[in-house]
Amino acid sequence: SQQGEEDPQALSIQEGENATMNCSYKTSINNLQWYRQNSGRGLVHLILIRSNEREKHSGRLRVTLDTSKKSSSLLITASRAADTASYFCATVPYNTDKLIFGTGTRLQVFP
Amino acid sequence: DVKVTQSSRYLVKRTGEKVFLECVQDMDHENMFWYRQDPGLGLRLIYFSYDVKMKEKGDIPEGYSVSREKKERFSLILESASTNQTSMYLCASSSPWGSNNEQFFGPGTRLTVL
Repeated sequence: SQQGEEDPQALSIQEGENATMNCSYKTSINNLQWYRQNSGRGLVHLILIRSNEREKHSGRLRVTLDTSKKSSSLLITASRAADTASYFCATVPYNTDKLIFGTGTRLQVFP
Repeated sequence: DVKVTQSSRYLVKRTGEKVFLECVQDMDHENMFWYRQDPGLGLRLIYFSYDVKMKEKGDIPEGYSVSREKKERFSLILESASTNQTSMYLCASSSPWGSNNEQFFGPGTRLTVL
């Protein structure tokens, strides 16, 4: 069962611009995670934000979480061509170890 | 460096064949997962395991089975492959609930069933 929906489905920007991706989910969660997938490869974990946190930073990444709206956003600042990939949000429902993935946002960064 | 490896990057099989996909992790993780990934559908959980010889059905277990005889190894079995099982298969592992439980993924196996 798909819990996360991501918006937009695809995003094209120039190097140096910021990229924002949004994720909405349906049920209560323990935490929310963002992953990156380069074309045809496995996923790489980027950042995790717990349900009692509102914002988290890691390098050029900024994640926000609004549990009242059941939504999260991922901001990539000063994007680079190497950021070109698909980005997935994944939620962890309470008392489980399962990740429930959204359908992803395809980001294209042009040099 | 943590690692999850999968036995094949690309695999081509015929309808009706029995297919084994192997996954090995070197992080001593209790949890292991098998997903399939299809365009427009994201990642869907097939089976997961919390411990050796333990298994739980995910969202789409039909047509699949799994085996976990050792902690580091989790196998996905297609008993009789069908064309609608053509997909990218991803294995992952994680620490148990209560920790950060981020998942570490293997590189994926692209399976084509003819």
